[in-house]
Amino acid sequence: QVTLRESGPAVVKPTQTVTLTCSFSGFSLSTSGMCVSWIRQPPGKALEWLVRIDWDDDKYYSTSLKTRLTISKDTSKNQVVLTMTDMDPVDTATYYCARTSVRATYYFDFWGQGTLVTVSS
Amino acid sequence: QSALTQPRSVSGSPGQSVTISCTGTSSDVGGYNYVSWYQQHPGKAPKLMIYDVSKRPSGVPDRFSGSKSGNTASLTISGLQAEDEADYYCCSYAGSNTGVFGGGTKLTVL
Repeated sequence: QVTLRESGPAVVKPTQTVTLTCSFSGFSLSTSGMCVSWIRQPPGKALEWLVRIDWDDDKYYSTSLKTRLTISKDTSKNQVVLTMTDMDPVDTATYYCARTSVRATYYFDFWGQGTLVTVSS
Repeated sequence: QSALTQPRSVSGSPGQSVTISCTGTSSDVGGYNYVSWYQQHPGKAPKLMIYDVSKRPSGVPDRFSGSKSGNTASLTISGLQAEDEADYYCCSYAGSNTGVFGGGTKLTVL
């Protein structure tokens, strides 16, 4: 079955760079049509789509965060890595990775449990 | 992209029906039939309930249905059950391989 799991530091200081890892099973990012997105949710607030990486290594970023985000994949390890620079307290959120379907459609069918990142000095 | 507009809260009694709206623009909801809906219980990850406006993934009860008219999509839950109490989020494709979520709606089962 498809599973995803996020991991990363629970606390980072302002201005630091955070690296989050999404480890998944049940599908391969080398398979045509497969994609993984990162989505975040500040405490008590709404979901926000951040970035997506596709099986062919194409990458798509949220316009508002494009300059701070980098996404990459390691197909051999079944992992997707998100890096976000210049962290600020407003970036405090639960960060989810989700498998994304994009062929003549657009939805997130499997989600990880999320990892809470708190930005605090 | 601006977030899609959803009512902050809706409520209904067990057995009743409720509808949650999701309003966007011609650049997202109105431009594509790629609206999806997610259910999120407290402390849990979102769960896909509806995709492509009105399609249900396997395992989602047929009490959940979706529709769209112009720039507004809707999620209807009929035969409300206590377990339906949760937050619901809509999402739409917004062009250029990006997506946009709604602000979320809290459903209370009275």
